[in-house]
Amino acid sequence: DGGITQSPKYLFRKEGQNVTLSCEQNLNHDAMYWYRQDPGQGLRLIYYSQIVNDFQKGDIAEGYSVSREKKESFPLTVTSAQKNPTAFYLCASTSSGSEQYFGPGTRLTVT
Amino acid sequence: AQTVTQSQPEMSVQEAETVTLSCTYDTSESDYYLFWYKQPPSRQMILVIRQEAYKQQNATENRFSVNFQKAAKSFSLKISDSQLGDAAMYFCAYARNEKLTFGTGTRLTIIP
Repeated sequence: DGGITQSPKYLFRKEGQNVTLSCEQNLNHDAMYWYRQDPGQGLRLIYYSQIVNDFQKGDIAEGYSVSREKKESFPLTVTSAQKNPTAFYLCASTSSGSEQYFGPGTRLTVT
Repeated sequence: AQTVTQSQPEMSVQEAETVTLSCTYDTSESDYYLFWYKQPPSRQMILVIRQEAYKQQNATENRFSVNFQKAAKSFSLKISDSQLGDAAMYFCAYARNEKLTFGTGTRLTIIP
């Protein structure tokens, strides 16, 4: 089955630690995205990549980093510089520039 | 920057009735896409319906239809014959150049 997988579903970290969230897709999509979702808010774009080895900052990139070494993979690192990292993180991909398909999400809790 | 506004944080509807969720957006572009996504308690984002701005005909997917008013920059979602499984957060989204901008969502409750 084609789709987007994110792991793990729940992630706990201590403050001051970097943590990497995984996102893999087997849809052969060129573009991939990372969003953050907080209670009472819509999805906010962190980073996106339209092609391998290239990516652009979204609206809230500070404290995050990404890489795109393979078409299928777009990991997101939440660094210790992110002041409020506890949130729900969603990964998405698209091939046509229209609708995006989403993974199941990762709930990150930093204490 | 584009903005998407959903002015109804919460809505409720009786099972089997019809409900309309509102969405307005701001853009100076003429070519773009609009979407409604559903996010049930599982938090999986599910595409409900899409509309290309160049198409005048309103999109329809089974019980879901939109009222797209391009000049007014309005994109409302109508759910007919509401079912318990329709209970979710609904997000309106604007897309151009492979980037989506989301509204803040409307929580829809279905009353049995």
